[in-house]
Amino acid sequence: RKEVEQDPGPFNVPEGATVAFNCTYSNSASQSFFWYRQDCRKEPKLLMSVYSSGNEDGRFTAQLNRASQYISLLIRDSKLSDSATYLCVVEDTSGTYKYIFGTGTRLKVLA
Amino acid sequence: SAVISQKPSRDICQRGTSLTIQCQVDSQVTMMFWYRQQPGQSLTLIATANQGSEATYESGFVIDKFPISRPNLTFSTLTVSNMSPEDSSIYLCSVRWDISYEQYFGPGTRLTVT
Repeated sequence: RKEVEQDPGPFNVPEGATVAFNCTYSNSASQSFFWYRQDCRKEPKLLMSVYSSGNEDGRFTAQLNRASQYISLLIRDSKLSDSATYLCVVEDTSGTYKYIFGTGTRLKVLA
Repeated sequence: SAVISQKPSRDICQRGTSLTIQCQVDSQVTMMFWYRQQPGQSLTLIATANQGSEATYESGFVIDKFPISRPNLTFSTLTVSNMSPEDSSIYLCSVRWDISYEQYFGPGTRLTVT
């Protein structure tokens, strides 16, 4: 089993739709989780850290389910500019602060 | 927010040669990392660059192939040695400050080996 797993997509959704991505992780001791966004031929940019209580930033909501070992990202009212690859990241538990990346989920928002 | 720059932004190199990539941050950082992103793939950690000591390499990456330097808290270099076409990738540095646990990425270096 991969350490961090994501559905690669692509998810093709119309403008204004709500879309959700899930990401599962294998290490139950993991403590820190993140969503990054990567546009084509660009570096990953931090979208949100994921807190135990869940967190929201505008149209974006991230949630953590420790019992089932997954994190989710919900995007409401999708915009064309949301088209990108969304990377799920789990921080390694060895105290080295290393990131473990999922393969990414491609989102395409259609006009 | 800090500015992270990488040089060169891209290069085309011949097999058997070496390329050194620089990562510069405009403020002192606690940690610096080097990643590789092969075409169509996600990011893979090459090594953690340690200030004043040898880098810590991940499984599958060795110092002879990817020597790394970090002479101070704002600068690091990654060398890709004796290149082959399989080394064609984007190489990214990332940084982390103690006050938060997020990492921030440089713009990347796109390397093509012919």
